[in-house]
Amino acid sequence: DAGVTQSPTHLIKTRGQQVTLRCSPKSGHDTVSWYQQALGQGPQFIFQYYEEEERQRGNFPDRFSGHQFPNYSSELNVNALLLGDSALYLCASSLPANYGYTFGSGTRLTVV
Amino acid sequence: SQQGEEDPQALSIQEGENATMNCSYKTSINNLQWYRQNSGRGLVHLILIRSNEREKHSGRLRVTLDTSKKSSSLLITASRAADTASYFCATLGGNQFYFGTGTSLTVIP
Repeated sequence: DAGVTQSPTHLIKTRGQQVTLRCSPKSGHDTVSWYQQALGQGPQFIFQYYEEEERQRGNFPDRFSGHQFPNYSSELNVNALLLGDSALYLCASSLPANYGYTFGSGTRLTVV
Repeated sequence: SQQGEEDPQALSIQEGENATMNCSYKTSINNLQWYRQNSGRGLVHLILIRSNEREKHSGRLRVTLDTSKKSSSLLITASRAADTASYFCATLGGNQFYFGTGTSLTVIP
């Protein structure tokens, strides 16, 4: 039973560029959440997708956007990258209102 | 902010010793969860304790919860080098987790 799969594992981008990160949820899960974890900090909630809609959003600018596909996989897009966007981006999947969240291994984004 | 805070920020112990880390949070909760993160990788769920529970065990892990003090502790007994990781407490508010800043545990062989 595959867990949460994220791609790519590492990525280096230049300031001002755009990036797309991908997440495939655990089998049977239909809800996907994205978190940003800066070095030495705890993860911060970006947003959650359910039924292809953004259900809840954290305190992140509109440069951060997402999408969920009919197969429940999800993308996180970040436009106009800033140096401060360098972080580990974590995807978590779950069933709605279920405490059983499964996290992926993350995508390490470096903005230079 | 509902975000929890862990204490200490860093902890270094010898293999075989016990490790205790604490977490404080700010609002009412239904449950509190502890996660482990190895070297900047993904989060691994360790244990969940509900608000009506005071103590819970899972293998070498023991978690306590004091809702009157809005605090929790995680005890790892007979630590191993493989326990070296960062440990986070997390509370669920709405559809999002609020994580603390984590405790970095180093177990010296």
